[in-house]
Amino acid sequence: ILNVEQSPQSLHVQEGDSTNFTCSFPSSNFYALHWYRWETAKSPEALFVMTLNGDEKKKGRISATLNTKEGYSYLYIKGSQPEDSATYLCACPMNRDDKIIFGKGTRLHILP
Amino acid sequence: DAGVIQSPRHEVTEMGQEVTLRCKPISGHDYLFWYRQTMMRGLELLIYFNNNVPIDDSGMPEDRFSAKMPNASFSTLKIQPSEPRDSAVYFCASSFRGRASGWATNTGELFFGEGSRLTVL
Repeated sequence: ILNVEQSPQSLHVQEGDSTNFTCSFPSSNFYALHWYRWETAKSPEALFVMTLNGDEKKKGRISATLNTKEGYSYLYIKGSQPEDSATYLCACPMNRDDKIIFGKGTRLHILP
Repeated sequence: DAGVIQSPRHEVTEMGQEVTLRCKPISGHDYLFWYRQTMMRGLELLIYFNNNVPIDDSGMPEDRFSAKMPNASFSTLKIQPSEPRDSAVYFCASSFRGRASGWATNTGELFFGEGSRLTVL
């Protein structure tokens, strides 16, 4: 059974501050890791797809790193803005077994 | 493309009634997933299809739940009979992974529909 764990569950950050949170996954049989942003009353949207150990992805103020050997990925947000308030999900698809299992997410609240 | 389309957006029904949720995936996608969102479990995978064939339904909670994908452009999730504990938001998502010699050629990010919010009274 694939367990994808995310921490913290919830996070309050002052506007302008930078923050990061973690996704951990079993390192054996790793194939890929997805990060999604899920805004209230909307559906999840993909931020990054990461496959290689040491991979770093960036989109504006948001970036992510991947360590497949130790089984974790970090998502960083630089200079938080109110529009960054959302739930951030990570998910792992396995190649042999095509299930895509999600973590429970990190709920980010940006305080004005 | 219009994206993944789900219907209905909201459904309120009484316990014991049959509920049918519908999904139209993005054209050309070869995978379709049904998820259920609850406070306790987050996004819970119910079942997924590859090229219209159900691959894994181990997440379907009970025999009251069934899903079909009669063609590449349509899938249904049915609950019969419905119970109050089935109340949740049900998401459909599709992706393209492709296959070459048994290995996925694409890492297959998911594209989600807007969800169907089900309330069973």
